[in-house]
Amino acid sequence: SQTIHQWPATLVQPVGSPLSLECTVEGTSNPNLYWYRQAAGRGLQLLFYSVGIGQISSEVPQNLSASRPQDRQFILSSKKLLLSDSGFYLCAWSSYPGAPLHFGNGTRLTVT
Amino acid sequence: KQEVTQIPAALSVPEGENLVLNCSFTDSAIYNLQWFRQDPGKGLTSLLLIQSSQREQTSGRLNASLDKSSGRSTLYIAASQPGDSATYLCAVYITQGGSEKLVFGKGTKLTVNP
Repeated sequence: SQTIHQWPATLVQPVGSPLSLECTVEGTSNPNLYWYRQAAGRGLQLLFYSVGIGQISSEVPQNLSASRPQDRQFILSSKKLLLSDSGFYLCAWSSYPGAPLHFGNGTRLTVT
Repeated sequence: KQEVTQIPAALSVPEGENLVLNCSFTDSAIYNLQWFRQDPGKGLTSLLLIQSSQREQTSGRLNASLDKSSGRSTLYIAASQPGDSATYLCAVYITQGGSEKLVFGKGTKLTVNP
């Protein structure tokens, strides 16, 4: 069966520090991968998605970047965090566009 | 621009009650609609997916309907249980700006009281 792992679960970082969140999927190949952010009162916002290694699409201009160095690995990064980067970050995968989306347990990021 | 609205934002019911959660979307050009459940501090769990050509989907005590022409979907939960307490989100799968993506509502927080 397929599983998705996301870490860390919680993270507190000072403003201006770098960020690296990692997500891996097991039990499937060539998944579509997604990074979402969930902020209080704003719902889920799609940040990045990837249909293959090295293929990243950005939905919203921002202080973040994403990379997919391996088929089932998706990384969310920032060189310098802002206070506004605080939120709940969720990684997700699907077998193909429009298929049911499967989420990881999320990372609660607090930028202080 | 597609917008998804869920009303009410919160709902509290006694155990055993049947209930309906509502979802509306502004643009009927969707590929499918998905319902998710989110427990506090956790990720989302996929509950049901309705293709644009379908009218409803059922899974256990859950039944989701879709009326694409009116831009509405409902999630019906039968014989609610305290374990059903969670936030329920709907999302529509669309093509927008050359990309394909899910657009989410903000969710309905359901509390089922024993």
